Amino acid sequence: ETGVTQSPTHLIKTRGQQVTLRCSSQSGHNTVSWYQQALGQGPQFIFQYYREEENGRGNFPPRFSGLQFPNYSSELNVNALELDDSALYLCASSELSDTQYFGPGTRLTVL
Amino acid sequence: KNEVEQSPQNLTAQEGEFITINCSYSVGISALHWLQQHPGGGIVSLFMLSSGKKKHGRLIATINIQEKHSSLHITASHPRDSAVYICAVTRGSGSRLTFGEGTQLTVNP
Repeated sequence: ETGVTQSPTHLIKTRGQQVTLRCSSQSGHNTVSWYQQALGQGPQFIFQYYREEENGRGNFPPRFSGLQFPNYSSELNVNALELDDSALYLCASSELSDTQYFGPGTRLTVL
Repeated sequence: KNEVEQSPQNLTAQEGEFITINCSYSVGISALHWLQQHPGGGIVSLFMLSSGKKKHGRLIATINIQEKHSSLHITASHPRDSAVYICAVTRGSGSRLTFGEGTQLTVNP
């Protein structure tokens, strides 16, 4: 148990729809990172939020956006879903450069 | 070429065997991480190291900064060690992880 939770566990959407994934960080952690993991591959960095501001972004288009709230929760929003967005989405919380604690992930399927 | 390369991709061992998983990286790093991922997706951080060697129970992680290489060793392997082991690096002052592809380990009884 890392103390990091994600919801929902599984989600099915259709192409073109929008989705919001949620993460609840460990209390006191000021940093949340989001990763996308396609089947059989290592996770890819989407972006990171530090004290409610974006603090780095990977090679993902602007239709991937995020928010971090003062209560240690955060969101990943994806607009105009594409089939290739089907993946496991992981959030990880930390104290900036310290060890990251991962949530269990949200499995998104886009049909 | 990926910034982080792991070998082997798949590894099958018998219970009790000594296991080594290797990781090479091509960039300057601030830390190297070994993580474990079980079926269903949950990732657990095993080690974060920037030099030398760390040990936790039957797990040992080493890093050679000059050679840009790290190894994860499992002594007296057990079927419950079966999982995907992932090497990742962080660069600079941030905590953004760049991951390898992972090594699928299966330990048979």
